[in-house]
Amino acid sequence: GAGVSQSPSNKVTEKGKDVELRCDPISGHTALYWYRQRLGQGLEFLIYFQGNSAPDKSGLPSDRFSAERTGESVSTLTIQRTQQEDSAVYLCASSERGTGGYTFGSGTRLTVV
Amino acid sequence: QQQVKQSPQSLIVQKGGISIINCAYENTAFDYFPWYQQFPGKGPALLIAIRPDVSEKKEGRFTISFNKSAKQFSLHIMDSQPGDSATYFCAAEKETSGSRLTFGEGTQLTVNP
Repeated sequence: GAGVSQSPSNKVTEKGKDVELRCDPISGHTALYWYRQRLGQGLEFLIYFQGNSAPDKSGLPSDRFSAERTGESVSTLTIQRTQQEDSAVYLCASSERGTGGYTFGSGTRLTVV
Repeated sequence: QQQVKQSPQSLIVQKGGISIINCAYENTAFDYFPWYQQFPGKGPALLIAIRPDVSEKKEGRFTISFNKSAKQFSLHIMDSQPGDSATYFCAAEKETSGSRLTFGEGTQLTVNP
């Protein structure tokens, strides 16, 4: 596609429920990144996929968070047993060969009530 | 060694003025320094980037100044306009290593009419 597509754009969930967030990167981009952005805050790195290499999971805040990516296509970020502190915008980005400028999606705004 | 420090946290400028945002990095291996612009409700978008073989890069009203010896780089917005009001993030990476960008904390710029 022309840009990075994320779905849903908004998600409201009850505390304790699991949620899945989806990211469709730009076709041909081998690298894919997930970031979390709390209201008025900076970009908190979560996880990075580069081609067929093992993902860099060093930013995942707890074992409730996991992500998968099939080849060089779609990625899903799963948050299990959601907590109120998980409320944030989750941003996905992709880039060519893991270098250079990232293209970000518009994000998924997650609200845990 | 991976940190990128950004200042100020917020900045208010009058229309027509010059906006200046500064970043400092620690890792001398970094060789790619982009700036991202983020409007409310949107993901960050690549604005301008520089590599350390030049000390300045200009695109329209936006200029990056780079000081390799001081390990600092800055974004200058000339003739600032209300439409420039956004959050700006600096970032850095070692481009050829396939690593990910390290982002600064962000600067919220407000340009008053």
